[in-house]
Amino acid sequence: ILNVEQSPQSLHVQEGDSTNFTCSFPSSNFYALHWYRWETAKSPEALFVMTLNGDEKKKGRISATLNTKEGYSYLYIKGSQPEDSATYLCAPPRNTGFQKLVFGTGTRLLVSP
Amino acid sequence: SQTIHQWPATLVQPVGSPLSLECTVEGTSNPNLYWYRQAAGRGLQLLFYSVGIGQISSEVPQNLSASRPQDRQFILSSKKLLLSDSGFYLCAWRPGTGEAFFGQGTRLTVV
Repeated sequence: ILNVEQSPQSLHVQEGDSTNFTCSFPSSNFYALHWYRWETAKSPEALFVMTLNGDEKKKGRISATLNTKEGYSYLYIKGSQPEDSATYLCAPPRNTGFQKLVFGTGTRLLVSP
Repeated sequence: SQTIHQWPATLVQPVGSPLSLECTVEGTSNPNLYWYRQAAGRGLQLLFYSVGIGQISSEVPQNLSASRPQDRQFILSSKKLLLSDSGFYLCAWRPGTGEAFFGQGTRLTVV
């Protein structure tokens, strides 16, 4: 069983706050790390696919970092807006069986105006 | 460009009835295909994935089965639905090892 943990489970912030959450995964057999955003009543959409230790990716106010040696990734949102409200999912396909895409339980973010 | 179609969008079925959800992908060949389910209050659970025609990997023992009769078609089935099969079902495809692209989902309510 692939143990993917995301924390916190849920987060409620005010508009303008910056926030971050964590995805923890087994460091052995690492292949890649995916981040997705899942808005209510919509389908999940990919934010980042990260493959290199120390990698840092950015899309607008959202950025992510990756530490493959210790098995974690951080997702940061700077100046949260109500439209950032969504569930953020991570998935670490492994080197053996990289076709298999198993998601963590997600972090549900609510940004209040 | 690639597109993914999943239908129906909503479905209400009685307990014990059969189920067939269909997913097709256009604009690509030999995609990896996936079925996920989100039960009420739960995360996104991988049910099945397929790397080619007739190749199905089952992740969770359950009342469901999947088939891939054509390269870009993935079908989720059940012979007899249970109440616990209710949930939101998502089909997805990946071009090899890249990011996944999801269909619009099917909201299944078993009554």
